[in-house]
Amino acid sequence: EPEVTQTPSHQVTQMGQEVILRCVPISNHLYFYWYRQILGQKVEFLVSFYNNEISEKSEIFDDQFSVERPDGSNFTLKIRSTKLEDSAMYFCASTTETGRAKNIQYFGAGTRLSVL
Amino acid sequence: SQQGEEDPQALSIQEGENATMNCSYKTSINNLQWYRQNSGRGLVHLILIRSNEREKHSGRLRVTLDTSKKSSSLLITASRAADTASYFCALTGGGNKLTFGTGTQLKVEL
Repeated sequence: EPEVTQTPSHQVTQMGQEVILRCVPISNHLYFYWYRQILGQKVEFLVSFYNNEISEKSEIFDDQFSVERPDGSNFTLKIRSTKLEDSAMYFCASTTETGRAKNIQYFGAGTRLSVL
Repeated sequence: SQQGEEDPQALSIQEGENATMNCSYKTSINNLQWYRQNSGRGLVHLILIRSNEREKHSGRLRVTLDTSKKSSSLLITASRAADTASYFCALTGGGNKLTFGTGTQLKVEL
């Protein structure tokens, strides 16, 4: 069964460093998302991406964050200068269609980011 | 805010018993979904119910939606130890993002 793949599973970085989290969405999907989950808290939406541009973003997704689909398969989340509070599990998701009736998103296993 | 609030926060039952989790929300929705998350893992979609539907079944899962009360429930029948996980409701409103609730931690004991 097709699945969303995320790498690495765990990323440790020093505060102030740049990190890139990588995702390979399901191949025929058109809409891509990043969410994060701080330990013990709820899953929060960061950004959605369609047709090579951001379609929606949350307040969390400030200028330190960016997303890119550099080729036909990868979808990346970059954090330019990490802060301690960026430590969280980051989930990538994708879906083939949206709209009122359908928005089943398929999630990757996540990347645990630890900022020291 | 559209955020769902689940209750209970934690639920511990014996294998074979039924588990019921509830989700309440505040604004109008297009659909409501339930996801499962095993410890430290990603989210797995369980079931989607549209705003014009009242009940839906999938295997041992039964979901109800009451838009007048802005609430939904997830029932897992004949629970198994493998059902131990966190369960989240997720709302879709005008956009495509999912807004997750706070989750119910279910523990099914042998």
